[in-house]
Amino acid sequence: DIQMTQSPSSLSASVGDRVTITCRASQSISTYFNWYQQKPGQAPNLLIYDASRLQSGVPSRFSGSGSGTDFTLTISSLQPEDFATYYCQQSYSTPYSFGQGTKLEI
Amino acid sequence: QVQLQQAGPGLVKPSQTLSLTCAISGDSVSTNSGTWNWIRQSPSRGLEWLGRTYYRSKWYQEYAVSVKSRIVINPDTSKNQFSLHLNSVTPEDTAVYFCSKETGMFARYAMDVWGQGTTVTVSS
Repeated sequence: DIQMTQSPSSLSASVGDRVTITCRASQSISTYFNWYQQKPGQAPNLLIYDASRLQSGVPSRFSGSGSGTDFTLTISSLQPEDFATYYCQQSYSTPYSFGQGTKLEI
Repeated sequence: QVQLQQAGPGLVKPSQTLSLTCAISGDSVSTNSGTWNWIRQSPSRGLEWLGRTYYRSKWYQEYAVSVKSRIVINPDTSKNQFSLHLNSVTPEDTAVYFCSKETGMFARYAMDVWGQGTTVTVSS
């Protein structure tokens, strides 16, 4: 099974900051990789798929990069609505696996 | 647009079967271009993919090894929904359960539609 390791587990930032979250896969997964945002009491929401493609309706301040085993999610200028938990996920092979999450706090 | 509506009990007794349904609107469970998944979330396990069903000329199911002996995911074409049955539950199965649709985009797959989540507690 493929393990996904996210860092950091939590991150404090301010509105307007640029932040980067990283995720590492235990084996090469090409770009079969997705990022999700989850707010309390809600289901995860797809932000980025194919490692770098922005899901429809997602603001352009979100961007993703990487391939193989190392991936990053960057938020260029934090907005108040971006404070949430972010998860990575591999879609290379089942069983699908998620990272443990990065909680972005004010 | 595609929407998923979950239904099922929020409390299940130990050793019994947890059963949830996920009703689909705006798409067909028999689509050849997506898969239908169940995921759960708990503080101890985080987000855990449980399994999926999909149609590619015939029906397929895939399950996580951790629950493979206890789980069944079935499509119901007459009601355009799919279901989760997890038997012999223990308190460790207490979690929020989500259904989702995985869509293929640019030859890559991602879960772009989710149900609202169902909090299931296993307790006597």
